[in-house]
Amino acid sequence: EDQVTQSPEALRLQEGESSSLNCSYTVSGLRGLFWYRQDPGKGPEFLFTLYSAGEEKEKERLKATLTKKESFLHITAPKPEDSATYLCAVQAGAYSGAGSYQLTFGKGTKLSVIP
Amino acid sequence: DADVTQTPRNRITKTGKRIMLECSQTKGHDRMYWYRQDPGLGLRLIYYSFDVKDINKGEISDGYSVSRQAQAKFSLSLESAIPNQTALYFCATSEGGNRPYEQYFGPGTRLTVT
Repeated sequence: EDQVTQSPEALRLQEGESSSLNCSYTVSGLRGLFWYRQDPGKGPEFLFTLYSAGEEKEKERLKATLTKKESFLHITAPKPEDSATYLCAVQAGAYSGAGSYQLTFGKGTKLSVIP
Repeated sequence: DADVTQTPRNRITKTGKRIMLECSQTKGHDRMYWYRQDPGLGLRLIYYSFDVKDINKGEISDGYSVSRQAQAKFSLSLESAIPNQTALYFCATSEGGNRPYEQYFGPGTRLTVT
């Protein structure tokens, strides 16, 4: 069974204090790892897709990296508007029935950036 | 205008009632999904559809049914609502094909069953 574990569950940072969020996964043949941002009461917003170990993607103050066992979302000099819950999801190579391409989500890291 | 829309955005209903949640998309994607989100449990897949003629059960389909009326429309029904179906429900879409495509989510429907 595919498993995705995110840590920490919650993180409080001062504005400008850089840090990293972790996503550890156990899957049978990773096809893709996805990062999403979710604001309270809203739908997840797509950030990045990573396909293979060693790959990196950047967007503004966010940088996502991938190894064979985990992914990190690095936040450089965060601002209060970066406060949100960050979700990690994996799509693995095992098929189910009709070929599901299902995403398995972690429970998220709630980030609070204090001015 | 939003690419993925959901109606209603909020709904309060009583135990035993039938309720339908609707999803429409303008992204032109073939694949559509229904998830529910509960505090502490994360997002869980209820049903997914790869095209109008293809419907598949997800992780937690019991108590739910779906209908894919067109490429752009995918509805979720609770035939007889129960309180533990109180949750935030999301519709999502993605492109089709063999590569792992990202999913795009709607704004959600907050459902309360009393």
